[in-house]
Amino acid sequence: KAGVTQTPRYLIKTRGQQVTLSCSPISGHRSVSWYQQTPGQGLQFLFEYFSETQRNKGNFPGRFSGRQFSNSRSEMNVSTLELGDSALYLCASSRERGGDEQYFGPGTRLTVT
Amino acid sequence: GEDVEQSLFLSVREGDSSVINCTYTDSSSTYLYWYKQEPGAGLQLLTYIFSNMDMKQDQRLTVLLNKKDKHLSLRIADTQTGDSAIYFCAETGGNNRKLIWGLGTSLAVNP
Repeated sequence: KAGVTQTPRYLIKTRGQQVTLSCSPISGHRSVSWYQQTPGQGLQFLFEYFSETQRNKGNFPGRFSGRQFSNSRSEMNVSTLELGDSALYLCASSRERGGDEQYFGPGTRLTVT
Repeated sequence: GEDVEQSLFLSVREGDSSVINCTYTDSSSTYLYWYKQEPGAGLQLLTYIFSNMDMKQDQRLTVLLNKKDKHLSLRIADTQTGDSAIYFCAETGGNNRKLIWGLGTSLAVNP
């Protein structure tokens, strides 16, 4: 069974631009969660989607948004990028809602210059 | 609010046992997880324990849970250089079942 895939793996953007990251969960998994990982802050929860609806949200500004499609694939978007948005963005899928075993993708490394 | 704490660094010699500790605050946790992250990679689920268990063993890994003290530990027997990674503790916090994460313990295994 294929694992969680994330595209792109690496991205360089400039301040003020926007970016869209994609995540394909494990087949049969209906929940997708997104995390931001930075050396200083550790793993910060962004949001969770289940059955195309946002079920949980972390403490991030409205510039961070996401969506989930009927095939459970998810995208997250960051608008008006700031230098502090440079991070590894991880996507995790689970069979049911968050709190269950989560399986992570390799992440997208975003660098904002 | 809910919180999970781990020590940031641990250094052991190859062949020794490693013990990584974690404390949490949410008494309503149902599952507690250990994840491993190798450099440049995502997180890999290592093992988990249900909150009504005291211990779980899986090959070289032993998880101990002291629910009274809200303390979780991961013991790696016969630690190898390939075990060098960051280990994250996580628990299902609160009614919204959101995973609460520690900052991770960086394990260095010295030959």
